[in-house]
Amino acid sequence: AQSVTQLGSHVSVSEGALVLLRCNYSSSVPPYLFWYVQYPNQGLQLLLKYTSAATLVKGINGFEAEFKKSETSFHLTKPSAHMSDAAEYFCAVSGDSNYQLIWGAGTKLIIKP
Amino acid sequence: NAGVTQTPKFRVLKTGQSMTLLCAQDMNHEYMYWYRQDPGMGLRLIHYSVGEGTTAKGEVPDGYNVSRLKKQNFLLGLESAAPSQTSVYFCASSPTSPKNTGELFFGEGSRLTVL
Repeated sequence: AQSVTQLGSHVSVSEGALVLLRCNYSSSVPPYLFWYVQYPNQGLQLLLKYTSAATLVKGINGFEAEFKKSETSFHLTKPSAHMSDAAEYFCAVSGDSNYQLIWGAGTKLIIKP
Repeated sequence: NAGVTQTPKFRVLKTGQSMTLLCAQDMNHEYMYWYRQDPGMGLRLIHYSVGEGTTAKGEVPDGYNVSRLKKQNFLLGLESAAPSQTSVYFCASSPTSPKNTGELFFGEGSRLTVL
């Protein structure tokens, strides 16, 4: 069965520092991969997605992620954190069924002033 | 520009009571989903629908029922609420399946507490 692991339930960085949120997946077939962001008291919204085109994917708000097949990873990065980036971030992978995404447990990003 | 609208946003129930959560989308999407979100567990799929008149079980369907009588609406019912169903419920819709890179569009969530 496919699974998604997000390392660290909480990640704290200083404003202006590099953001790195880790996501590893297990999949027997080439997956589609997604990062979603959830701001406080809101629903999730798509940040970026990998669909087997370019391995480096750029998303909204300056985020990007790189698909590394050899490492089965899809880590999310941003060069310089802003206070407005404080949110929970979810990694997801397309599941075996046509209709399901497999979700990671989420990583809460905390930005220190 | 409503997108996905969930009602109610908050509800407190007593054990054994019933209730229905309503999800409405105005994007003409075929696929609709109900998830629950619990701390440290990510999102878990309860039920989903791939078109009007269809429903299917997801990962955690027990204790819930759904209906999709109209394309734009997806109802989630709890017939006899239990404290274990205390959670935040999210409805989502998508134009195509995730296998076709269909992006999910989420509502703002419904916070349910069962006492």
